[in-house]
Amino acid sequence: GAGVSQSPSNKVTEKGKDVELRCDPISGHTALYWYRQSLGQGLEFLIYFQGNSAPDKSGLPSDRFSAERTGGSVSTLTIQRTQQEDSAVYLCASSRQGYGQYFGPGTRLTVT
Amino acid sequence: TQLLEQSPQFLSIQEGENLTVYCNSSSVFSSLQWYRQEPGEGPVLLVTVVTGGEVKKLKRLTFQFGDARKDSSLHITAAQPGDTGLYLCAGPVSNDYKLSFGAGTTVTVRA
Repeated sequence: GAGVSQSPSNKVTEKGKDVELRCDPISGHTALYWYRQSLGQGLEFLIYFQGNSAPDKSGLPSDRFSAERTGGSVSTLTIQRTQQEDSAVYLCASSRQGYGQYFGPGTRLTVT
Repeated sequence: TQLLEQSPQFLSIQEGENLTVYCNSSSVFSSLQWYRQEPGEGPVLLVTVVTGGEVKKLKRLTFQFGDARKDSSLHITAAQPGDTGLYLCAGPVSNDYKLSFGAGTTVTVRA
């Protein structure tokens, strides 16, 4: 069966541009998470979607970051006016509620 | 400041040796999870420990949850090059879905 997929795998963008990162969760998983992983750091929670409930956006570092989840499946993380400190690996995970999280391979974002 | 502190940060050993990785916190966790992450991949869940004092074994990997549920350890017996990776511990905070991750231990097993 297909796991969590993310696209693109790598993204290089200029400072000030907007970027969109996509996540396709495992079919049937109602929960979807976005994390950010910087070099030498653990994973930083960004946002959580569960079914039709309002998302938990408490981890988003600024209002330049937003995320959507359409139809309870695919999610898009958007970063507006990118800054160099946004450079990191962005990981998406999905799960059935109450079970372990399955991660995608991540999108490596480099802001030049 | 990390809620979960992992040590050591880096560990390099020869194939066949044993190793232990630690995950410590001043907070009590309802459960702790261990993940392994290889370069270019997302973390893969290895185990979840939920009971204080619990020991779980996964082939050559032994996971222990402290009696007070504030710490955990991962012990690998007779390490192999395939055990190389970043080992992360994580625990739920405030809700059962929001995980706090440690910074990880990078393990390198030399053939």
